[in-house]
Parts: sequence; structure tokens; C-alpha cells
Amino acid sequence: AQSVTQPDIHITVSEGASLELRCNYSYGATPYLFWYVQSPGQGLQLLLKYFSGDTLVQGIKGFEAEFKRSQSSFNLRKPSVHWSDAAEYFCAVGGTGRRALTFGSGTRLQVQP
Amino acid sequence: DGGITQSPKYLFRKEGQNVTLSCEQNLNHDAMYWYRQDPGQGLRLIYYSQIVNDFQKGDIAEGYSVSREKKESFPLTVTSAQKNPTAFYLCASSEGTGPFGYTFGSGTRLTVV
Repeated sequence: AQSVTQPDIHITVSEGASLELRCNYSYGATPYLFWYVQSPGQGLQLLLKYFSGDTLVQGIKGFEAEFKRSQSSFNLRKPSVHWSDAAEYFCAVGGTGRRALTFGSGTRLQVQP
Repeated sequence: DGGITQSPKYLFRKEGQNVTLSCEQNLNHDAMYWYRQDPGQGLRLIYYSQIVNDFQKGDIAEGYSVSREKKESFPLTVTSAQKNPTAFYLCASSEGTGPFGYTFGSGTRLTVV
């Protein structure tokens, strides 16, 4: 079975500080990994995705994520956080099977001025 | 512009009633999905469909039903058998299963009154 764990329910950072959101996954084969962002009361927007190749992937809004197979992790990073980054972030895993994506429980990011 | 439209944005249901949530996409995507979102639980898969006239149960299908008569449409019915239907419902679509990100609608908030 596939699963995703986001250990941090809520993170608060100061504007301009760096950010790392953690994601650990469980999947029996090579996974497809995704990060999504959700503003309150809205749908989810895709930030970035990993399928194969370079383990460091770049996304929109200055985000990047690194796939580490040995640690079953796909952590999201941003060098300098802006107040507009305050939102909820979801990691998701899928694969070559017919199953739909499995999402983590999310991390809510608060940005202090 | 292509996208996914969910309607209504807010829906109120009386005890014992069935209600139907609409999801329409004009992206020409083959696969469509319904997720339920509750605070602190992330997104849980209700049903998904990879082609017209075919759909599969997700992790929490009890009390829900779907149909996929057209490629563009994937309505979700919340039946009276669903004992705790108050939640935020998200519809998504993708080109198929595998290395494709999802496009999400803006959601329907269902409240039991």
C-alpha cells in the first residue's frame, strides 16, 4: 500500500527565512512524487513533481524539492519565504499502477512579518 | 481557459437527503477523481474513474456513489447512508494514472443542517 507522512502539522517561519517541509512516503516501486499548495477554501495547485532523473526538482514560486530514495523522503524547500506563501502544503505519491494519488495530511505554514 | 468547475460552492443537506455535487472539466482528461478533505486528515480518496463508464472505489466510498457517462463529467452523490457528510469535497482530473499531476476544482463545502 502507498502512504505519505507529513510529520509537521503546523510550521511558523519569519518572512525572509528559509523553509523546509518534510515528506516521507511508502511505495513498493519507483514513486511519482508531488507537492501541492492550497489556500483557504480553494482547490490545490501543483508546485512541482518528480518522476525520474535529477533528484532535485524545481517548481513554481521559487520552491524546490529533493528526492532521497534511501530515506524515502521528498522534502520541499524555499530559500526565502514571502508572506504570500502562507498556506497548506500537501505531499502526494503515486506510481505506474492504476491507483490514484495518495496525499499526506498536510502542513500548514504561517509566515510572521 | 481549460479547467475544472465544481458546483455549487456551498451546499446544505438535511438529514436523510441525497445530494449531488457537480464536477465538469474541459481539459480532455481521461481520469477524474473525488477526494474528501477534513481538517487534519488531508485528502482521502472517495472514487476515481480512468475512462468513461468505468470507476473504482477509493478508501472511503461507503455512502457515496458516482457515474461517468461523459468524459467531461463526474458527478458525486452523497447518499443518506453517509453518516458524517459535512466536509470539503474536491474534484480533480488528470491525463491518466501515472506521471501526471492533477488539476483540481475549487471545491464544494457540504454542510448537514
